[in-house]
Amino acid sequence: QKEVEQNSGPLSVPEGAIASLNCTYSDRVSQSFFWYRQYSGKSPELIMSIYSNGDKEDGRFTAQLNKASQYVSLLIRDSQPSDSATYLCAVIPGNRDDKIIFGKGTRLHILP
Amino acid sequence: DVKVTQSSRYLVKRTGEKVFLECVQDMDHENMFWYRQDPGLGLRLIYFSYDVKMKEKGDIPEGYSVSREKKERFSLILESASTNQTSMYLCASSTLAGGGYEQYFGPGTRLTVT
Repeated sequence: QKEVEQNSGPLSVPEGAIASLNCTYSDRVSQSFFWYRQYSGKSPELIMSIYSNGDKEDGRFTAQLNKASQYVSLLIRDSQPSDSATYLCAVIPGNRDDKIIFGKGTRLHILP
Repeated sequence: DVKVTQSSRYLVKRTGEKVFLECVQDMDHENMFWYRQDPGLGLRLIYFSYDVKMKEKGDIPEGYSVSREKKERFSLILESASTNQTSMYLCASSTLAGGGYEQYFGPGTRLTVT
C-alpha cells in the first residue's frame, strides 16, 4: 500500500514567522508531488507542484523535494493568519501517472 | 482558470433514496474523480474515469456507481443511500500540466442521509 505520511498537528506558528510542513512518501519511484491548502468546510486548493529535486518558490511559498530521502516539504514565509488551514501533501505513485495519493493533512494555526 | 462545479453544496436525503451528485468541468480534462472526505480518514477515492464511458473503481466503491456520458460531466450515484454515506463529496478533474497530472477540485457537496 503506497502511503503519504504527515504529522496531523496542529502546528502553531507566530504571525510573521516561517511555517515548515513536512511529508514523507513510501513509493520510491514517485515523480509528481503537490501541496494543497484546505480551509475548514471548503475543498482543497492546489498551491504548489514540484517534480524535480530541490526548491521551487512561488511568492511566500517554497516547496522542497528530496527524492533520495523520500520527503517533500512546504515552507511558508511571513506567515499570516489567513494561512491557517489544513495542508495536504499529495503524491502520484511511479506506476500511475494520474491517480494521486493524499496524506491526511497537517493543521496549521498562525498565532496573531 | 480551471472551473469544476458541483450540482449542490448541501443535500439532505432519506435512507434508501437514490441520490445523484453531478460534476462538470470546463477545461476539457481527460480525467475525473470522485472522493469522499471524513474527519480523521482524509480523502478517499470512490471512482475515477479516464475518458468518456470509462470508469475505474477507487478504494471505496461499494454502494456507489458512476456515469460519464460526456467528457465534461461525471456523475456519482448512490443507489440506496445509507446513513454511513453521510459525508463531504468532492469531485476533481486533472490533465497533464507541467511535469505531471495536476488535480483540481470542485467546491464539494455535503450530503446528509437521515
